[in-house]
Amino acid sequence: DAGVIQSPRHEVTEMGQEVTLRCKPISGHDYLFWYRQTMMRGLELLIYFNNNVPIDDSGMPEDRFSAKMPNASFSTLKIQPSEPRDSAVYFCASSLGAGVGNEQFFGPGTRLTVL
Amino acid sequence: SQQGEEDPQALSIQEGENATMNCSYKTSINNLQWYRQNSGRGLVHLILIRSNEREKHSGRLRVTLDTSKKSSSLLITASRAADTASYFCATDDDGANNLFFGTGTRLTVIP
Repeated sequence: DAGVIQSPRHEVTEMGQEVTLRCKPISGHDYLFWYRQTMMRGLELLIYFNNNVPIDDSGMPEDRFSAKMPNASFSTLKIQPSEPRDSAVYFCASSLGAGVGNEQFFGPGTRLTVL
Repeated sequence: SQQGEEDPQALSIQEGENATMNCSYKTSINNLQWYRQNSGRGLVHLILIRSNEREKHSGRLRVTLDTSKKSSSLLITASRAADTASYFCATDDDGANNLFFGTGTRLTVIP
């Protein structure tokens, strides 16, 4: 298995532009998580899905952020419009079964820079 | 929140020495996990210890859990330069399906 796949690996954009981050979880995993990592705030959970359904989006910072999971093999995190403070590394992770007793498998991350 | 806190924030040791990192958390848990993150990479799961376990080993890793003190420690024995990374503990909030990650310990192993 190729593991969790994220694209793009790096994204540089200008303030106000729309940004779409993509994730392909490990086949068979029914949980998918989106995280954001910055030096100041560490690793933050933004949203997670179970069987393609959003379960908890309380970590999504504001309405500019949205996430979808149209099928079991694909998820997107969209920021519209982007702002410089959104600059961070965004990770997608997936797990088999409930997160409580299962390890999460992380993708390589997308490093987003908003100018 | 349940977010754990690692201690120390940064640790620098010589190759061959042991490295000990600690994690404290706030509420009841079902399990605790440790992850490693190499620079520029995603997190990688190292070991999981359940709330009814006190100690667990995996290769050069030894994890302890003290639920009465709400703390855990990760010991890496005979450290190698390749162990240089950030280490995070992650806990569940009893009943939650997601994990709460700590702030991490940045370990540097000097060859």
